[in-house]
Amino acid sequence: GIQVEQSPPDLILQEGANSTLRCNFSDSVNNLQWFHQNPWGQLINLFYIPSGTKQNGRLSATTVATERYSLLYISSSQTTDSGVYFCAALEPPMRFGAGTRLTVKP
Amino acid sequence: EAGVAQSPRYKIIEKRQSVAFWCNPISGHATLYWYQQILGQGPKLLIQFQNNGVVDDSQLPKDRFSAERLKGVDSTLKIQPAKLEDSAVYLCASSERLAGAYNEQFFGPGTRLTVL
Repeated sequence: GIQVEQSPPDLILQEGANSTLRCNFSDSVNNLQWFHQNPWGQLINLFYIPSGTKQNGRLSATTVATERYSLLYISSSQTTDSGVYFCAALEPPMRFGAGTRLTVKP
Repeated sequence: EAGVAQSPRYKIIEKRQSVAFWCNPISGHATLYWYQQILGQGPKLLIQFQNNGVVDDSQLPKDRFSAERLKGVDSTLKIQPAKLEDSAVYLCASSERLAGAYNEQFFGPGTRLTVL
C-alpha cells in the first residue's frame, strides 16, 4: 500500500511565525486530505486537495501530485494552531502519516 | 448539517471484557469507516463499509473485533474480549461515496477506550 511520510515530526514556533509542513507519498494519489487534531482529539478537516493550491484564511495547501508531495502553510501562527497535523492519502485503504506536532508559544 | 456522531465518548473496561461503540454518519453518506488511533500515531483503518457491505476489513483483528452496519446507516464496532493493547481512540468517519472524483472524509469526535 501507499506510504505517507510527514516532516518535521515536531515543530515549536513563537506566535506570529510562519511554518511549512510537508507530506510525501510513495505512489500517485487521486485524493489527499490535511487534518488538524486538536488537544481534545477531534480531527478537523483543513483541506481536501488532490492537486493544486487552496487557501483558507491563514492556512494554505499545495499538492504536486506528479512529484508526490503536499505542503501545508501556516502563516502568522496562533496558540490555537497547536496540535497535530496529519495528511492522509485517500487511496483504498486510506493511509495517514505519523503527523507533525506543532506547538505555538505565546 | 449534523456531523458524525459517536458514543460513548469514553469507556474504561477490564481486560477480557466486551465493549461496543456506536457511530451515526452524516446523513446521506454511503461510506463509513472505523479507525483505531493509538497514542502518538496516526489513525489506522480497521474496516470500511459501502452502504451495508464490507469493502475492506484487511486490518481488522477478526478474532476479537467485529463490526456491522445494518440498513446502511448506523454502525457498531465490538471488541470481545478486550486486551490491554486495544487501549486507543476509536474514530468513525463517513464520506459521500467510496471512490471517484470526490470522497472527502469527515470524522466524529471518537471514543477513548482504556483497558485495565
